[in-house]
Amino acid sequence: LAKTTQPISMDSYEGQEVNITCSHNNIATNDYITWYQQFPSQGPRFIIQGYKTKVTNEVASLFIPADRKSSTLSLPRVSLSDTAVYYCLVGDTAMNTGFQKLVFGTGTRLLVSP
Amino acid sequence: DADVTQTPRNRITKTGKRIMLECSQTKGHDRMYWYRQDPGLGLRLIYYSFDVKDINKGEISDGYSVSRQAQAKFSLSLESAIPNQTALYFCATSDPYREPGANVLTFGAGSRLTVL
Repeated sequence: LAKTTQPISMDSYEGQEVNITCSHNNIATNDYITWYQQFPSQGPRFIIQGYKTKVTNEVASLFIPADRKSSTLSLPRVSLSDTAVYYCLVGDTAMNTGFQKLVFGTGTRLLVSP
Repeated sequence: DADVTQTPRNRITKTGKRIMLECSQTKGHDRMYWYRQDPGLGLRLIYYSFDVKDINKGEISDGYSVSRQAQAKFSLSLESAIPNQTALYFCATSDPYREPGANVLTFGAGSRLTVL
């Protein structure tokens, strides 16, 4: 079972860059790393996904080292509206059928202050 | 309209009652999931379905059952609700053919269930 470890919480100020690191020591060869954002009483929302090296979209960047045992979500110039819980997910492949079962950890609660 | 619709959004019930939470999607995805979220905690997988004929238990399936009535519909039932099933329930879908190994979940808005 591919498990992830993230900091429980982080604090930042508006305009700063925020980096949230996730550890996934048992990541499998075929697993992708996916990050979600969740606001209170809403469903999680996909942010970014990657397999290796660096991925960037209009919202964030994802840095993945060569050994893929960790990943870092980078949010440039955060605003108050970025206050949310961020989840790192690694696809869990069941060996018998090859499908993926996506397991969430407890996430990182980011608080952005003025 | 939302891609993934959950009903009801809020429900208060009593211990021992049967409850059904419904989920419908317009994404055309084969895979559907039910998750449960408790205050301050992450999401835990209850059941998942890869197509109409394939249903699988997740981490915490005891006390729950599901029905995949069609590709677009996936219902979660609590046969006899108990207070510790009070939680926020999320339905999600994914398309495994978007890219190999690249499941991206689309979540509904959630159904808040309170069991008294």
